[in-house]
Amino acid sequence: EDQVTQSPEALRLQEGESSSLNCSYTVSGLRGLFWYRQDPGKGPEFLFTLYSAGEEKEKERLKATLTKKESFLHITAPKPEDSATYLCAVLSGGYQKVTFGTGTKLQVIP
Amino acid sequence: ETGVTQSPTHLIKTRGQQVTLRCSSQSGHNTVSWYQQALGQGPQFIFQYYREEENGRGNFPPRFSGLQFPNYSSELNVNALELDDSALYLCASSLVNSGTVEAFFGQGTRLTVV
Repeated sequence: EDQVTQSPEALRLQEGESSSLNCSYTVSGLRGLFWYRQDPGKGPEFLFTLYSAGEEKEKERLKATLTKKESFLHITAPKPEDSATYLCAVLSGGYQKVTFGTGTKLQVIP
Repeated sequence: ETGVTQSPTHLIKTRGQQVTLRCSSQSGHNTVSWYQQALGQGPQFIFQYYREEENGRGNFPPRFSGLQFPNYSSELNVNALELDDSALYLCASSLVNSGTVEAFFGQGTRLTVV
């Protein structure tokens, strides 16, 4: 069964203090790894898809990387508006079943 | 804005009742998936519909059922509601066989069972 573990569960940063979120996964036949951002009471907002080890993608202050066992979401010089829960998920199998981790709740303090 | 809309946004039901949640997929998408998200947890896969047929199911009992219509809108039905069914229900649409695998989520329906 696919498994996704995210760490840390919660992270508190000062504005401008860069850090990384970790996503470890166990899956047979990875078809894609996703990062989503979720604000309280809202649906997840798509950020990135990574397909193979060594791939990297960037969007504003966020950069996602992928190895064969884990993915990192690097946040450079975060701002308070980056505060949210960041979800990692993997896609495997012949249909669109996505397995999510429990998320990292990020708080950026001014 | 993803183009995936869900209704209603909030709902309160009594234990034992039945509920129907609705989802309108993003234009051009042919696949819809439903997820249940309990407070503080990641979304859990309920099932997926592709071309109006169930195309995969997670560990949810048969009282969770669904429909996909020719216009790719979808419904999630839950019978005999239990207190533990209280959660945020998310719909996600995607375009299978497009070469990409991203799923885009709606804002969810918050269901409270009392």
